[in-house]
Amino acid sequence: GDSVTQMEGPVTLSEEAFLTINCTYTATGYPSLFWYVQYPGEGLQLLLKATKADDKGSNKGFEATYRKETTSFHLEKGSVQVSDSAVYFCALSGGSQGNLIFGKGTKLSVKP
Amino acid sequence: GAVVSQHPSWVICKSGTSVKIECRSLDFQATTMFWYRQFPKQSLMLMATSNEGSKATYEQGVEKDKFLINHASLTLSTLTVTSAHPEDSSFYICSAGGGSLDTQYFGPGTRLTVL
Repeated sequence: GDSVTQMEGPVTLSEEAFLTINCTYTATGYPSLFWYVQYPGEGLQLLLKATKADDKGSNKGFEATYRKETTSFHLEKGSVQVSDSAVYFCALSGGSQGNLIFGKGTKLSVKP
Repeated sequence: GAVVSQHPSWVICKSGTSVKIECRSLDFQATTMFWYRQFPKQSLMLMATSNEGSKATYEQGVEKDKFLINHASLTLSTLTVTSAHPEDSSFYICSAGGGSLDTQYFGPGTRLTVL
């Protein structure tokens, strides 16, 4: 079945460092791809999405490009801030009920 | 954006008791709600899909008699863990949305600990 694999954390960076969180997927068909973020004590929020190959999703300085040839959707940010500390989930729209299929999540901690 | 609430945010109960978790869409109507379960350092795993006015659709391996889901209105779905046991301890998350996937909104989750 469809699945998502993302790099295990935790990831600890200093403020203004470059961030990459790797995400690869396996899927039949052509799913949409998502990054969700969960700040401490809050629900998951959609960070960005891409619906077809070569699409780039972007939001709040984060970017991810839908790469069909490498089945990847890596999350990047050029300069992280302390406020970016959260858990990041990669997901795809592959569920039989219209649900999302998630990776395990990657915890990011940004130190001042 | 739209807000989904869950109540309680955490609960501790004795083995054998039942626990009800509520999921509410506060400012929109949700025809479909999803219930996920998350173990430490694991993915969110779909447990069931709750559709307003009809029976829930359970994923393979999820006991429908143990995890009772009711979606009686367009703003409320409830998950009742019946006769809870320590292995049911987990983080339960609901999401609510309409027809488009990018309009799924997630609740903050409920931490259940069964002693």
